[in-house]
Amino acid sequence: KAGVTQTPRYLIKTRGQQVTLSCSPISGHRSVSWYQQTPGQGLQFLFEYFSETQRNKGNFPGRFSGRQFSNSRSEMNVSTLELGDSALYLCASSRETGAGSGANVLTFGAGSRLTVL
Amino acid sequence: GQQVMQIPQYQHVQEGEDFTTYCNSSTTLSNIQWYKQRPGGHPVFLIQLVKSGEVKKQKRLTFQFGEAKKNSSLHITATQTTDVGTYFCAGDFGNEKLTFGTGTRLTIIP
Repeated sequence: KAGVTQTPRYLIKTRGQQVTLSCSPISGHRSVSWYQQTPGQGLQFLFEYFSETQRNKGNFPGRFSGRQFSNSRSEMNVSTLELGDSALYLCASSRETGAGSGANVLTFGAGSRLTVL
Repeated sequence: GQQVMQIPQYQHVQEGEDFTTYCNSSTTLSNIQWYKQRPGGHPVFLIQLVKSGEVKKQKRLTFQFGEAKKNSSLHITATQTTDVGTYFCAGDFGNEKLTFGTGTRLTIIP
């Protein structure tokens, strides 16, 4: 079956612009999580969506937002871009949440690499 | 807050040597997962540990979950160049959100 698909793979923006990233989860997966990865900060959790509802949110400013559609596809948006937003943005899907059941094992997409100039 | 500490941050080993990375949490975990990210790639799931004291093996990789479910380790025996990458643990505190450790970057000296 197809994996997690993220688009675009690479993009360059300038400060002050906004960006929208897209993620298509594995068919049947209902949960989509977003992570920011930078060399110095590792994997930082942004937010998680399940059945079109944001279930968890990390410690990022309000410039970072997301949503999930009825087909489980998800988008994240970053407004008023800053230089520090340059990072690899990873989307991951899981079958469903539920501790200990294996249902929350993540399958990651290849990521969207954002460069802010 | 709920954090998962992982050490070491970097590890350089000669090919054929063993490698171990450790994860520690201040509070009890529901389960812990391990992921591997090759250079230029994305994290890939390796294994999930759920039971107290659980030990699982995948060929040369041995994963352990502590008795108190607060710590875990990944041990690689006789490393090979294919083992290069960053290994992450991810703790589940039962709040439906995985918390990733900072990762251990393994490099192999041929």
